[in-house]
Amino acid sequence: GAGVSQSPRYKVAKRGQDVALRCDPISGHVSLFWYQQALGQGPEFLTYFQNEAQLDKSGLPSDRFFAERPEGSVSTLKIQRTQQEDSAVYLCASSVGGASYGYTFGSGTRLTVV
Amino acid sequence: GNSVTQMEGPVTLSEEAFLTINCTYTATGYPSLFWYVQYPGEGLQLLLKATKADDKGSNKGFEATYRKETTSFHLEKGSVQVSDSAVYFCALSNDYKLSFGAGTTVTVRA
Repeated sequence: GAGVSQSPRYKVAKRGQDVALRCDPISGHVSLFWYQQALGQGPEFLTYFQNEAQLDKSGLPSDRFFAERPEGSVSTLKIQRTQQEDSAVYLCASSVGGASYGYTFGSGTRLTVV
Repeated sequence: GNSVTQMEGPVTLSEEAFLTINCTYTATGYPSLFWYVQYPGEGLQLLLKATKADDKGSNKGFEATYRKETTSFHLEKGSVQVSDSAVYFCALSNDYKLSFGAGTTVTVRA
């Protein structure tokens, strides 16, 4: 597609519920990133994939967060047993290489845990 | 570790005014520096970048110069338009990760 597509655009989850957020990167982009953006803050790095390999997951806040990209294209960020502090916008970005090439970001998924 | 500090907002300007958003950074080595912009209802977009000291990035009338001696990358535009209303993020990277500032909200009034 022309850009990075994320779905759903908005998600309301009850505390304790599991959620799955989807990202469709630009075709041919080998690098895929997930970021978390709290209200009024800049995005914070969560995890990085190069093709299907998850090369860095150091930013995942807890073991309730899990990301995958099994075929090197679409990626899913899963959050188990959601907590209120998980409420944020989750951004996906893709790139042909590293940050110096510039990322293309999706519009994000706004997760609200009630 | 890497960190970015940028001018707190919100900033409100009249059309055709001069805009400066200050950005300073702390990093190991020689990072690349970026400005990203988020227009209302849209995703983050790369506005400009500079990859080494004294480089000037420019796009859409915006400019920023990589100043290693002051560890700064201030964003400037000489004459803003209403369409420049957005949130602006300064960021840096040593490798594949971006470290962002908190963002500065700019509103331009006609």
